[in-house]
Amino acid sequence: AQSVTQLDSQVPVFEEAPVELRCNYSSSVSVYLFWYVQYPNQGLQLLLKYLSGSTLVKGINGFEAEFNKSQTSFHLRKPSVHISDTAEYFCAVKEYGNKLVFGAGTILRVKS
Amino acid sequence: EPEVTQTPSHQVTQMGQEVILRCVPISNHLYFYWYRQILGQKVEFLVSFYNNEISEKSEIFDDQFSVERPDGSNFTLKIRSTKLEDSAMYFCASSLTPSADTQYFGPGTRLTVL
Repeated sequence: AQSVTQLDSQVPVFEEAPVELRCNYSSSVSVYLFWYVQYPNQGLQLLLKYLSGSTLVKGINGFEAEFNKSQTSFHLRKPSVHISDTAEYFCAVKEYGNKLVFGAGTILRVKS
Repeated sequence: EPEVTQTPSHQVTQMGQEVILRCVPISNHLYFYWYRQILGQKVEFLVSFYNNEISEKSEIFDDQFSVERPDGSNFTLKIRSTKLEDSAMYFCASSLTPSADTQYFGPGTRLTVL
C-alpha cells in the first residue's frame, strides 16, 4: 500500500535562506507525486506535481522538487524563502484511481 | 480564478445528530472528492464521486456517510449520526479528470461533535 512520510514536522528558517522539505513515499508501482501548501484558514493549494518526464519539477512561488526514484523521494526546495512562505506543506502520492495519499505535513516557519 | 467553496466554515453539533456539509466544486469539473483531517493527523481520503455514483471509497466511509449531488452545482457529505470521533476538518475537492489531473481543494469545514 502506498504511504508518504514527511520527515520534519516543523522547519524553522530565516528569511532569504534556502529550505528543503523532505518527503519519502512507498509504492510498488509508478506514482504521481504532488506538493500542496495550506495557508492559515485556506484550502490546500497545488504547488507542483510530478507525472512523468524530467525529474526536476518547477512550481509556483519559486518552489521546485526533484523526483528520485531510487530513493523514493520527492523533496521540495526553495533557494530563498520569504515571510509569506510561512504555511503548512503537504506531500501526496497517487497510484491508480482517484485518491491522494497525504503525508503528515511540514510547518515551515520563516523568521525575519 | 475559479475555486471550490465550502459551507459552513465551522459546524458544531451534538453526538447522534445528522450533519450535512456543503461544497460547490469548480463549475466544469466532473470528479468530486471528500477528505478529512482529524486534528494532528494526516489528511485522509473518504470518497470520490463521478457521474452521480461513488467511484471509490475508503474504509472510513461506512454506512453513516453518504454523498450526493442534489443539483448541478452542489456536492454534499452527510453524516447520519455523528460520533465524537467524527470531529475533524472536512475538505471537498474537484478535478476535471481523474488520475493525473490536479485536485482543487476548498477551504474546509471544521466539524466539532460534542
